Formats: sequence, structure tokens, C-alpha cells
Amino acid sequence: KNEVEQSPQNLTAQEGEFITINCSYSVGISALHWLQQHPGGGIVSLFMLSSGKKKHGRLIATINIQEKHSSLHITASHPRDSAVYICAVGLIGNYQLIWGAGTKLIIKP
Amino acid sequence: DTAVSQTPKYLVTQMGNDKSIKCEQNLGHDTMYWYKQDSKKFLKIMFSYNNKELIINETVPNRFSPKSPDKAHLNLHINSLELGDSAVYFCASSQDTSGGRETQYFGPGTRLLVL
Repeated sequence: KNEVEQSPQNLTAQEGEFITINCSYSVGISALHWLQQHPGGGIVSLFMLSSGKKKHGRLIATINIQEKHSSLHITASHPRDSAVYICAVGLIGNYQLIWGAGTKLIIKP
Repeated sequence: DTAVSQTPKYLVTQMGNDKSIKCEQNLGHDTMYWYKQDSKKFLKIMFSYNNKELIINETVPNRFSPKSPDKAHLNLHINSLELGDSAVYFCASSQDTSGGRETQYFGPGTRLLVL
């Protein structure tokens, strides 16, 4: 079992829908990262958070440390949001990030 | 200006050849990484350097050898290429290591195909 689990693996929605992608982890973490991988392959960091909630435009990331769970929300989704969204966690006392398998999101016009 | 650049973007080569992938960052970061993304899209850390010093060396074949001439560059040399080496290789950098609390900035990836 991977230490970082994402759900769903695949998500197809209509333009305008509210999107939620979930990430659960089983280890103590220093921080949790959400990244976006475009269809062309490029990877962009969206958020890094260790508590609470962060918002950037239509994207919102939340984390519940006690429940070891984070969610990435997209409001008013648009076809250009179609990408793979990846959750990764930084381990306490370790240099590495542990990566989730990613959620492939397709937004249909 | 590109923050993290990799060359080449595409690399098609025969089994048994030796090839290098170069990475440069102009962000002034101290830490650089090499990741391999296989066909299942998992990102796997291969190496990490902090100020030219190797700090992460995952279990990869010793045919893979990283070289950091200075903290802005981290190159990856691969000897005796095998079919299973076909993947996308990403370079990344962060300000420091800080136990995973640093945002990583990724290069565009190098798509390696071994025939």
C-alpha cells in the first residue's frame, strides 16, 4: 500500500462543475504539496501547506492534519483545468517527497 | 527566462549507448533533483544534490551517474542504455531541502526512448 493515496484515479466532469480531489497519507508529514501536470508533460507546483487552507484563483487546498487528509477543490471548472493533479508529502526528518499516483482530470466543454 | 531547463527535450537512442541529460536552474537554489516518470506516471526520486553534495541516492542502477559541477547544474549520465530506461526524466530544484517543506520547480522533462 502506497503511503500516499489519491482518489479518484480518474475524473471526468462538465465545464462549470465543482471538482474535489482527495489525498490521504499514513505517515507523519512536514508539509503536503499539490502539483499539476499538464497534458504536454510540464509539472507546476500549485500549493504547499502544513495546516488549514490556501486559495489561489479558482483553486482551494485544505488539509486536516489529525485525519491525515487533504483535498484540492476547483470551482467553476474549465477545460483548461484538464490535467493530472498530484499530491506529495514531505516526511518529517527526511529530504524526500513521497508521491501519490495522481488524479487524471478531464473537463468537457 | 526559463527557471529550470533541461536538454535535450527528446532523446531517441539505441540500446547499449551512453547518453547524458543536462539540467540548469537560474533560481539561485541550493538543491536539485532528478526524477524518473515511468509509463504508469509515478514520479520516482533518483538523486538529489544540495550545494553540489549528494544527499539522496535511491536504488537506481549504477549505470546512472549524476554530476553536479556547480549548484546551478545537475547532469545525468546513463551508461549502457536498456529498454527499461525509456521514460520521462524530470529535473527539479528547490531553495533548500528543509525536510520536504520547500516548493520544487520542475524542468520540462526529457523524453528518453531506447530502441
